Amino acid sequence: KDQVFQPSTVASSEGAVVEIFCNHSVSNAYNFFWYLHFPGCAPRLLVKGSKPSQQGRYNMTYERFSSSLLILQVREADAAVYYCACLNTGFQKLVFGTGTRLLVSP
Amino acid sequence: EAQVTQNPRYLITVTGKKLTVTCSQNMNHEYMSWYRQDPGLGLRQIYYSMNVEVTDKGDVPEGYKVSRKEKRNFPLILESPSPNQTSLYFCASIKAGNRALSYEQYFGPGTRLTVT
Repeated sequence: KDQVFQPSTVASSEGAVVEIFCNHSVSNAYNFFWYLHFPGCAPRLLVKGSKPSQQGRYNMTYERFSSSLLILQVREADAAVYYCACLNTGFQKLVFGTGTRLLVSP
Repeated sequence: EAQVTQNPRYLITVTGKKLTVTCSQNMNHEYMSWYRQDPGLGLRQIYYSMNVEVTDKGDVPEGYKVSRKEKRNFPLILESPSPNQTSLYFCASIKAGNRALSYEQYFGPGTRLTVT
């Protein structure tokens, strides 16, 4: 069954580097997508790809079946839900994990 | 401006009263999709459409219908809503591609539905 796994909650302190891990069992999936979701807003794509990449404070690591999102110099405003997703290229379907709630303490 | 719009944004209704949540995109994408978001369960796909008049069930299609009569619109229909359909619903418009570089998924702002 196509599934994406990620922790339900990650806690961090302001200024730290936080890592959110993800792995998958999705068929024909070679790409990871990381989304940020604030309540009341549309989920927003942060970073994606099939190799390590960086967009501003967001770094994505890449292995064939796992990826981590690293957020540099984390801030209280980064507290949100982060979704990991993998693209099943056969069905052109993005399979989402259950989301990781990031808690940031001052 | 490229966007996905949903209406209504908030809806409170009663069990059994048919409702439709509209979704519209202005990016001329062929693919569109509906998700529901529930605490601890993440984003689960309800239905998707790969083109006009082509729709398929996602992971949790029970209790929902969709239609795709024109490319820009993909309404979600609840014929007889029940309390377990209380959720946050997202429509998405998708620029397809086999590689991450060409695949883009744009979400609407969400519709919060409460069924009492």
